[in-house]
Amino acid sequence: QLQLQESGSRLVKPSQTLSLTCAVSGVSISSDYYSWSWIRQPPGKGLEWIGFIYHSGSTYYNPSLKSRVTISLDRSKNHFSLRLTSVTAADTAVYYCAKYCSGGSCYSGAFDIWGQGTMVTVSS
Amino acid sequence: QSALTQPASVSGSPGQSITISCTGTSSDVGGYKYVSWYQQEPGKAPKLMIYEVSNRPSGVSNRFSGSKSGNTASLTISGLQAEDEADYYCSSYTSSSTLVFGGGTKLTVL
Repeated sequence: QLQLQESGSRLVKPSQTLSLTCAVSGVSISSDYYSWSWIRQPPGKGLEWIGFIYHSGSTYYNPSLKSRVTISLDRSKNHFSLRLTSVTAADTAVYYCAKYCSGGSCYSGAFDIWGQGTMVTVSS
Repeated sequence: QSALTQPASVSGSPGQSITISCTGTSSDVGGYKYVSWYQQEPGKAPKLMIYEVSNRPSGVSNRFSGSKSGNTASLTISGLQAEDEADYYCSSYTSSSTLVFGGGTKLTVL
């Protein structure tokens, strides 16, 4: 059964770097047609797409966050990671990792598997 | 990129049908078949309800249906049930190879 699980620092100081990891079980992150994404949701607000990384390693980011975001794959550990630099209180949110299907026999163009989410607070 | 436009809230009585709209541009909703819809209950991760505009994943009730006309996609829930009360979000692929979500719609079952 395919599962995603977020982990990482829950409290980050302003101006520092937020780092999260998403452990993937049940499928290889190198599988064709799968991309791996980060999405966040500030308290009481809507979903915001942060970016994704294709199985090939190509990355695409939300233009509003692009200068501060890096998403990477670790094939040896079958996980992918998020780094967000120079954080402020506006980056306080629940962060979700999700699998995106970009073709093949899966649910194309959709986030079909989500992690449970992890709350990250930016505060001194 | 701008968020897709959804109504902040909709409501309906049990048994009725409701429709939630999701308006974008020709660079996202209007230009691609990769429009999806998600249901989010309080404190939980979103759940995929519709993909590729109108397709239902396995296990999703056939009371949920999707459509698109021009730059506006729609989610319709028929035979409304109390358990359908949740927040709903649309999402679309864009011409910049990015993704964008709608602002979300809170569905209240009266």
